[in-house]
Amino acid sequence: AQKVTQAQTEISVVEKEDVTLDCVYETRDTTYYLFWYKQPPSGELVFLIRRNSFDEQNEISGRYSWNFQKSTSSFNFTITASQVVDSAVYFCALSEAYTGTASKLTFGTGTRLQVTL
Amino acid sequence: DTEVTQTPKHLVMGMTNKKSLKCEQHMGHRAMYWYKQKAKKPPELMFVYSYEKLSINESVPSRFSPECPNSSLLNLHLHALQPEDSALYLCASSQDQVGTGRYEQYFGPGTRLTVT
Repeated sequence: AQKVTQAQTEISVVEKEDVTLDCVYETRDTTYYLFWYKQPPSGELVFLIRRNSFDEQNEISGRYSWNFQKSTSSFNFTITASQVVDSAVYFCALSEAYTGTASKLTFGTGTRLQVTL
Repeated sequence: DTEVTQTPKHLVMGMTNKKSLKCEQHMGHRAMYWYKQKAKKPPELMFVYSYEKLSINESVPSRFSPECPNSSLLNLHLHALQPEDSALYLCASSQDQVGTGRYEQYFGPGTRLTVT
């Protein structure tokens, strides 16, 4: 069975600090996909990134960067120079591949990030 | 345009009422999903439709009845709900109609449901 662990329940930082959100996953599949979603207080889950199991290149998008390490089954997310607008709950998720006619996401429990002035 | 819309935004209903939640997407996605999310928890999958056919039902009670009238619309019919069904109901869609797992899901803003 698949599992995603986000050990950090809540993180508080002061604006402009860097912060890393941890994600550790378990799967028996050799082909799988990892995702990060952001859920601001408004409630909508916003897709941030997808990474497949064959691509271990790290990715940077503006102040966001992601570090995927298969050897440790981790897919960590770093926000550089955090801003108040980054305050949200962040979910890491793992997708089951080849489940027939539909796929399913396994979500971690989420990390609530609070950025203050 | 990566937008999924949901109506209504808020809904209060009694335990004997019948109501419906609506979801719409115009991205040409053929997979659509209903999730339930309780406070401080991750979303829980309820139903998946693929090509307008129900593919996954995660053992959801029959008081929740999904419907996919066409490839852009997804409804969730509610009847005789319980107070513990109060939650945020999220709709999502993706390109992943054949279950590869490789495509991201795009979520709507949700309907915040309160059952009194």
